[in-house]
Amino acid sequence: QSVLTQPPSVSAAPGQKVTISCSGSSSNIGNNYVSWYQQLPGTAPKLLIYDNNKRPSGIPDRFSGSKSGTSATLGITGLQTGDEADYYCGTWDSSLSAGRYVFGTGTKVTVL
Amino acid sequence: QVQLQESGPGLVKPSETLSLTCAVSGYSISSGYYWGWIRQPPGKGLEWIGSIYHSGSTYYNPSLKSRVTISVDTSKNQFSLKLSSVTAADTAVYYCARCSMTTVNFDYWGQGTLVTVSS
Repeated sequence: QSVLTQPPSVSAAPGQKVTISCSGSSSNIGNNYVSWYQQLPGTAPKLLIYDNNKRPSGIPDRFSGSKSGTSATLGITGLQTGDEADYYCGTWDSSLSAGRYVFGTGTKVTVL
Repeated sequence: QVQLQESGPGLVKPSETLSLTCAVSGYSISSGYYWGWIRQPPGKGLEWIGSIYHSGSTYYNPSLKSRVTISVDTSKNQFSLKLSSVTAADTAVYYCARCSMTTVNFDYWGQGTLVTVSS
């Protein structure tokens, strides 16, 4: 059971915008940086956003990240069919005596 | 370009030890960063297993710590995972990845390898 909660699915038409939420607590999101990963069908995850809102080289600015308190959000504008994938948030969690990296429950994005 | 490639048996018997190796090219493990293992059971989400620095310093997921050993071989530019006493619940695609432990994120990933635990 993940400590980071995401909606199971979101959908929108091509060209529209979607947002994906990632809800946590002060033990994780509230005090650590958040990353976002895109996993296209049958492939390895790919880093999309790091340090809450930074994009690695090569990631288009259609993808954006933000964080407020104990929640983070991934935004995708100008939705394309190639954006159909599973998206995961991730961050360090220190709720246990030893820390651990945790991923969100994952959100499937469908382009209608 | 940093590239990672997992290798190891695709089938492991219950109660035995799962062993995987991740070969890194395009970057020297000794130059920095942590190097980690993440797994994904079929149809399920991602689970971090642990990460290692070139010095041998490790972080393990507390839920797996008693069964996990991650080691590094800088001479071969690779690192390895051993998971003991496996059960069917350990069946998953296992990924290796480069890990920044300062702000913690995984920026380069291997393609993954499916390990099935079955007799």
